[in-house]
Amino acid sequence: ETGVTQTPRHLVMGMTNKKSLKCEQHLGHNAMYWYKQSAKKPLELMFVYSLEERVENNSVPSRFSPECPNSSHLFLHLHTLQPEDSALYLCASSQDFRAAGGETQYFGPGTRLLVL
Amino acid sequence: AQKITQTQPGMFVQEKEAVTLDCTYDTSDPSYGLFWYKQPSSGEMIFLIYQGSYDQQNATEGRYSLNFQKARKSANLVISASQLGDSAMYFCAMRVDNFNKFYFGSGTKLNVKP
Repeated sequence: ETGVTQTPRHLVMGMTNKKSLKCEQHLGHNAMYWYKQSAKKPLELMFVYSLEERVENNSVPSRFSPECPNSSHLFLHLHTLQPEDSALYLCASSQDFRAAGGETQYFGPGTRLLVL
Repeated sequence: AQKITQTQPGMFVQEKEAVTLDCTYDTSDPSYGLFWYKQPSSGEMIFLIYQGSYDQQNATEGRYSLNFQKARKSANLVISASQLGDSAMYFCAMRVDNFNKFYFGSGTKLNVKP
């Protein structure tokens, strides 16, 4: 496989469930990101990892717990979510955390999450 | 503070015609990059085009061009000869150089009519 993959593509969970989202990048990148995309709102950056170290946490509730075991894999562990957490969760990667020029982030297809 | 604004929530264009999607930005940093992404209904964000703040010429990539007006702080995307497959959400984004944090606009939904 190439690029950035995410599993599952769709997830329905109850508020008391525990689930995990998985992201894998096959690009040899050093930085990985979690974004939340809600309807009619700009993308919200949640977490940034650079070389497996968390470098940014944008005031995300503790019911979202990221994990980056190596530079190719990123997880988002979900616990006791609320209905307003329903959204598209996008994973992205880039060569390095500090970038300049036209270096872009490469996005996965996202996980559509519905919390009942 | 950094900010990206897309004022067109939805746009319609006839197939084979050109369309301009608006984007304005705000930053006090002199070195930054502007990006456009396409998001089809499948969800994946696809990179389209990039413009650096010091670039003298407008960026072009095939049917995509970026109308960069630095004094007005605008970075409009122009799609020439629209195709049905261009129907998607389009996001403008800005990154301040040396920090890989992207600021995204709220997006424009483009519908191409046959």
